[in-house]
Amino acid sequence: SQQGEEDPQALSIQEGENATMNCSYKTSINNLQWYRQNSGRGLVHLILIRSNEREKHSGRLRVTLDTSKKSSSLLITASRAADTASYFCATSMNRDDKIIFGKGTRLHILP
Amino acid sequence: DAGITQSPRHKVTETGTPVTLRCHQTENHRYMYWYRQDPGHGLRLIHYSYGVKDTDKGEVSDGYSVSRSKTEDFLLTLESATSSQTSVYFCAARDSNTGELFFGEGSRLTVL
Repeated sequence: SQQGEEDPQALSIQEGENATMNCSYKTSINNLQWYRQNSGRGLVHLILIRSNEREKHSGRLRVTLDTSKKSSSLLITASRAADTASYFCATSMNRDDKIIFGKGTRLHILP
Repeated sequence: DAGITQSPRHKVTETGTPVTLRCHQTENHRYMYWYRQDPGHGLRLIHYSYGVKDTDKGEVSDGYSVSRSKTEDFLLTLESATSSQTSVYFCAARDSNTGELFFGEGSRLTVL
């Protein structure tokens, strides 16, 4: 079974609102990453947070990590039409080179 | 995109035929990965490589083999394609310093 699970599966919000997506995972991790995928394209890296970090920012993105709850959240502030995409979390476990993805959240920004 | 190119980008084949997908990178990354993407499943790891001639299985490796004879090339082979292997296949290379994956644009495979 997959390591990460995103929630919700799909999300529609009005342009300008904030979007929050969550990722839960099952086993201890070394780091957790978030990726974006526009329809029909390859995935693009957004942000990486290490297991000893609790929060990280990059532009309009804010990622939090709670290792006690085995969960992470991605917040996109002031959403834009161009943010419409699928978002995936990916985990790298300790002493393991595998990088395992969740099923993703489809985000749709309404004009 | 760290110079990740996949070929072919589209392929239609028949059940039972062998298929090889190629991933080529230009940045000398040590780690490379093959994923498949299917509706409702997200991306699932097939095989990965941690160096020339060094490979290991992922989550869904049955029916697939890989080879890495040069740093820049990572090949995925379906020895005898089945309809369940119809999918979009993505290759990625990992920056060992940042941990970031760089993806190719995908190879859409249809097995009839």
